[in-house]
Amino acid sequence: DIQMTQSPSSLSASVGDRVTITCRASQGISNYLAWYQQKPGKAPKLLIYAASTLQSGVPSRFSGSGSGTDFTLTISSLQPEDVATYYCQRSNIAPYTFGQGTKLEIK
Amino acid sequence: QVQLVQSGDEVKKPGASVKVSCKASGYTFTGYWIHWVRQAPGQGLEWMGWINPNSGDTNYVQNFQGRVTMTSDTSISTAYMELTSLRSDDTAVYYCARGVGGDYWGQGTLVTVSS
Repeated sequence: DIQMTQSPSSLSASVGDRVTITCRASQGISNYLAWYQQKPGKAPKLLIYAASTLQSGVPSRFSGSGSGTDFTLTISSLQPEDVATYYCQRSNIAPYTFGQGTKLEIK
Repeated sequence: QVQLVQSGDEVKKPGASVKVSCKASGYTFTGYWIHWVRQAPGQGLEWMGWINPNSGDTNYVQNFQGRVTMTSDTSISTAYMELTSLRSDDTAVYYCARGVGGDYWGQGTLVTVSS
């Protein structure tokens, strides 16, 4: 099965910083990648699908890029409400494996 | 508006079974697969499988083969996930989600397995 590896596993940044999270697939998955945000005690929220398409209603400071095996989620200007854990997920064929998550905190 | 509403939290003993429901509203239930994802306490997300409510076809991750059954009742727009032979490490929040790029999620159902 294809493995999804995120880095870093945790990260601390200041409000206004540009933040980048990476996700690497063990085999190519074209652009079949989604990014989710999960806040404590809540269900995950879809941010980006097809690697770079912003889900409706998601702030434009979030963006995604990549294709094949390497992907990034970028927050252009970190806001306090962005504190959460972020997950990538392959979305081409089953099993639709998630990355292990990146916990983002405010410095 | 689209909603997925799950059944309430459960406490089960080891060896028992649990069946979690996910009632959909606000869209055509048969038009989207339902995926099930679980999250153990303090851990990441684990994809369990999907069901196509239109055909009844299912696909389960190998880890759960033989213990999980996903079904649906189109007459009441509800999907179900049953997990048998429960163990303590099945303690988790179980989520249903619409489609592989889960644009809508249920609120989660905590299943606690404890003697």
